[in-house]
Amino acid sequence: NAGVTQTPKFRVLKTGQSMTLLCAQDMNHEYMYWYRQDPGMGLRLIHYSVGEGTTAKGEVPDGYNVSRLKKQNFLLGLESAAPSQTSVYFCASSTGTSGRNTDTQYFGPGTRLTVL
Amino acid sequence: AQKITQTQPGMFVQEKEAVTLDCTYDTSDQSYGLFWYKQPSSGEMIFLIYQGSYDEQNATEGRYSLNFQKARKSANLVISASQLGDSAMYFCAMREDSSYKLIFGSGTRLLVRP
Repeated sequence: NAGVTQTPKFRVLKTGQSMTLLCAQDMNHEYMYWYRQDPGMGLRLIHYSVGEGTTAKGEVPDGYNVSRLKKQNFLLGLESAAPSQTSVYFCASSTGTSGRNTDTQYFGPGTRLTVL
Repeated sequence: AQKITQTQPGMFVQEKEAVTLDCTYDTSDQSYGLFWYKQPSSGEMIFLIYQGSYDEQNATEGRYSLNFQKARKSANLVISASQLGDSAMYFCAMREDSSYKLIFGSGTRLLVRP
């Protein structure tokens, strides 16, 4: 049981390049999330999904797109990377069945992205 | 506005002693959950403990306990019998019943001294 996995672990991009981060979970969780963590700060929600085929904007969605074509996967895309998107990206998942405030989110190991 | 405040950027504790990490929150919702996560130097976010706003008893998970004072809007994490492996960043987070997102504090870096 791998839990939440993220690919790749590290990536360096040039400004204007595009890339996709992949998140996969094997816990049959309904909800999935993408966060970013900047130095000295906690995590901030980028986008989330409450089920296969659904996505919604979080706190800092600009410059990112997401897709949830399969229940176990949640993709985060950067169409034209900018230096301000240099960050550590975390994916998380949760069951979504126990009520929002009790729904514990479990995190992947993170992807460290640098945009030059 | 929903907000989490962790006022201790860094803390030291002697091995085998107890330590309290402070967390205060602000919300207008009556129903919410409070979470603590540990982030070791390897970078992953590890869930430690949860407290619901309607829970009458403080949550405990092994050496972790949550000192929940609803009227003061505080949810402090207590780690008993500190171990060297407890050295890490600790984040307090809140999720309101009306929202899908976790709101995180800025974290407290704990260093356990041998």
